[in-house]
Amino acid sequence: DVKVTQSSRYLVKRTGEKVFLECVQDMDHENMFWYRQDPGLGLRLIYFSYDVKMKEKGDIPEGYSVSREKKERFSLILESASTNQTSMYLCASTYGSYEQYFGPGTRLTVT
Amino acid sequence: AQKITQTQPGMFVQEKEAVTLDCTYDTSDPSYGLFWYKQPSSGEMIFLIYQGSYDQQNATEGRYSLNFQKARKSANLVISASQLGDSAMYFCAYSSASKIIFGSGTRLSIRP
Repeated sequence: DVKVTQSSRYLVKRTGEKVFLECVQDMDHENMFWYRQDPGLGLRLIYFSYDVKMKEKGDIPEGYSVSREKKERFSLILESASTNQTSMYLCASTYGSYEQYFGPGTRLTVT
Repeated sequence: AQKITQTQPGMFVQEKEAVTLDCTYDTSDPSYGLFWYKQPSSGEMIFLIYQGSYDQQNATEGRYSLNFQKARKSANLVISASQLGDSAMYFCAYSSASKIIFGSGTRLSIRP
């Protein structure tokens, strides 16, 4: 059974903290993605990676960075968390341009 | 840049009726894919159906079918014989060159 896991379901952080969101997939997929989901805005692409150590900016990369040191792991980093980064964060992986497999999501609250 | 649009923020449908969820896209890519996902209140994203830009026939998966009109750049999802369990958010997505973008979603509510 394919699986994408995310390190936390719920996370509460303070403004200015450095935040790490981890995503791991066990399907040997090349492509991995980070989205944030906000009501009325759907899923917006933050960053994606099509290979180890490769990364591409999505539509809203400001305030975020990513790391992909191993094929199965894709990390999203908030260098200095702000309240407008309170959101649901979804990780996904895919082989080529086929269907994406999603993790359960991390609901991040920044206070 | 590619763009994907869902113009119906919310819909109410009577149980057992068919429902069509609209999706249009804008692209100059010759090769692309279109997807529909369902997100129930539990939050997980569930893949429903896929259509490739070169596919000659409309995709079908059980009660789901994708009405693909390439010239109009539309990829509407049709759910036949709706059920109470179909109540959820539905997202249309576009993919090309390993990048996938999503529409803003439609919240579908099925009335008993």
